[in-house]
Amino acid sequence: AQKITQTQPGMFVQEKEAVTLDCTYDTSDQSYGLFWYKQPSSGEMIFLIYQGSYDEQNATEGRYSLNFQKARKSANLVISASQLGDSAMYFCAMREGQDSGAGSYQLTFGKGTKLSVIP
Amino acid sequence: DVKVTQSSRYLVKRTGEKVFLECVQDMDHENMFWYRQDPGLGLRLIYFSYDVKMKEKGDIPEGYSVSREKKERFSLILESASTNQTSMYLCASSGTGEYSGNTIYFGEGSWLTVV
Repeated sequence: AQKITQTQPGMFVQEKEAVTLDCTYDTSDQSYGLFWYKQPSSGEMIFLIYQGSYDEQNATEGRYSLNFQKARKSANLVISASQLGDSAMYFCAMREGQDSGAGSYQLTFGKGTKLSVIP
Repeated sequence: DVKVTQSSRYLVKRTGEKVFLECVQDMDHENMFWYRQDPGLGLRLIYFSYDVKMKEKGDIPEGYSVSREKKERFSLILESASTNQTSMYLCASSGTGEYSGNTIYFGEGSWLTVV
């Protein structure tokens, strides 16, 4: 079973509109972290936002917010007021087992969602 | 400014060649990772290392090996390159202890084409 599922291979959004990118995860660990990365066509991975499993509030970073629903195991990324520069691939990722020692710092990625912002 | 540097941005190699992809980080991180990225498959972990001379297989280690002789350097080796190893390769590093958001750093990626 996939640990990270991104069900939207591609999304379109009108400039200045908000968009939600879906991410569901699967883990039996109590302690884990969820990440969102942006990857423009240049290939670099840009960290956007992080949510810890014990964080009670949804994470926010500027125009990015993470809608964390622990019981549903979902961690959707919300981008408000989309800009043309937001067009990119977006990856959801998870790091499990904070206390598992070696190997607990690796990330497992979803397959990504390609976001296109329309002028 | 933190940095993970991958030695080659674009490479073209012939089938059967031995290929070295080098990654260097300047943050004194214990953990280093090699991922492979393919369209529609996301990033998949090939190998990782949590200390000098230590290595662990990731999800897709077949056809690859790694070397970590120094803490700052983690090399990915394709012993005999094949066309199905044409891909984008990403190196990453992270420290230990702190468990928070922006503590995993990626290089810019190496685009490898095997012909």
